Amino acid sequence: ETGVTQTPRHLVMGMTNKKSLKCEQHLGHNAMYWYKQSAKKPLELMFVYNFKEQTENNSVPSRFSPECPNSSHLFLHLHTLQPEDSALYLCASSPTGTGVDTQYFGPGTRLTVL
Amino acid sequence: RKEVEQDPGPFNVPEGATVAFNCTYSNSASQSFFWYRQDCRKEPKLLMSVYSSGNEDGRFTAQLNRASQYISLLIRDSKLSDSATYLCAVNRGGRGSTLGRLYFGRGTQLTVWP
Repeated sequence: ETGVTQTPRHLVMGMTNKKSLKCEQHLGHNAMYWYKQSAKKPLELMFVYNFKEQTENNSVPSRFSPECPNSSHLFLHLHTLQPEDSALYLCASSPTGTGVDTQYFGPGTRLTVL
Repeated sequence: RKEVEQDPGPFNVPEGATVAFNCTYSNSASQSFFWYRQDCRKEPKLLMSVYSSGNEDGRFTAQLNRASQYISLLIRDSKLSDSATYLCAVNRGGRGSTLGRLYFGRGTQLTVWP
């Protein structure tokens, strides 16, 4: 399935690096999401974009900076991360941002911060 | 109290067994309910939406109990390929910016052995 794609699939970065994660959805959806999944923890919502507008920032540290240039693309810019930020970062999309419809996930970026 | 609570398991069952998972939610205004399946090191994939009247898809049956605020997933005639982590997700409902938010449980790990 290629409805939601994410690049890169794996990323190793140092604490002083700057990198970006990219997500693209080919489903014609209007809402996109970033989630963080750490070992033994539930999925944590980070950001929600609805029609390119950020509608939720779930108290995410400023070292994570999202960008949504259009309804099909979502970026997560990373800078000065900490080792505890190592996790699987998942992008998702849904037809609307109302929460009543299904969210479809990309394959994720497995991030390791050294 | 957590928005969504799920028994993490693990559940270890033989092929052919019937297994059931429950998931409780705290917000009575929740409107939408889902079960996702997540294989090791992969993204969550929608297994079933959960409807008020209950719904069935082959060997899988999902039910909603609004009075007790829980959803359940029943798997009959378990197959080896059913081994995965099963996540429940609940839409918070209500007004405001959290309308589009899904809350996920920690997941229940299932292993089906031959």
